[in-house]
Amino acid sequence: DTAVSQTPKYLVTQMGNDKSIKCEQNLGHDTMYWYKQDSKKFLKIMFSYNNKELIINETVPNRFSPKSPDKAHLNLHINSLELGDSAVYFCASAAGRGDRGYTFGSGTRLTVV
Amino acid sequence: SQQGEEDPQALSIQEGENATMNCSYKTSINNLQWYRQNSGRGLVHLILIRSNEREKHSGRLRVTLDTSKKSSSLLITASRAADTASYFCAPQNYGQNFVFGPGTRLSVLP
Repeated sequence: DTAVSQTPKYLVTQMGNDKSIKCEQNLGHDTMYWYKQDSKKFLKIMFSYNNKELIINETVPNRFSPKSPDKAHLNLHINSLELGDSAVYFCASAAGRGDRGYTFGSGTRLTVV
Repeated sequence: SQQGEEDPQALSIQEGENATMNCSYKTSINNLQWYRQNSGRGLVHLILIRSNEREKHSGRLRVTLDTSKKSSSLLITASRAADTASYFCAPQNYGQNFVFGPGTRLSVLP
């Protein structure tokens, strides 16, 4: 069983479209995250969310929005996609304060053309 | 949030040799974690060292932490081709999210 699963694994779409990436964790973790990894391999936090609090990195455009239907899911919606949104997006989860480590999904490679 | 800075950016060694990579950070931490990323995959948690620990071992991995110098090192002994990956450090303060640096790209040549 995959602990943190993301779908789709690859996503190719045109500029201006709206798309979603889904993330599910079966670890019972309290907190979920979205990270963006750019072409230079920098991993940047976009959001962290538990059932009490959403923390947004202020550099993330408001075209990006997390949606959490329940504790096990944190989906990422992106409106009006731009070329610069092309990257690999990783979902992660952690128990409590994350001091036992984060568990990452395998990533979604988004290509905007 | 604070970012760990890994050094060197890239490292090539022969199979069987030891690999050492370093991490520096700027402010006080509760713990520091190391992660591995194989090409095209997500990050995998390797080892965690708490701020009151100086050294920790896990299999072929040895991590040290020097809080006075705000630095950590990851040693992989008897490296294998399968160790080829990028390695990231993640200094953590409770309540803050990880900010990852560019990582160290390790290539283990057969």
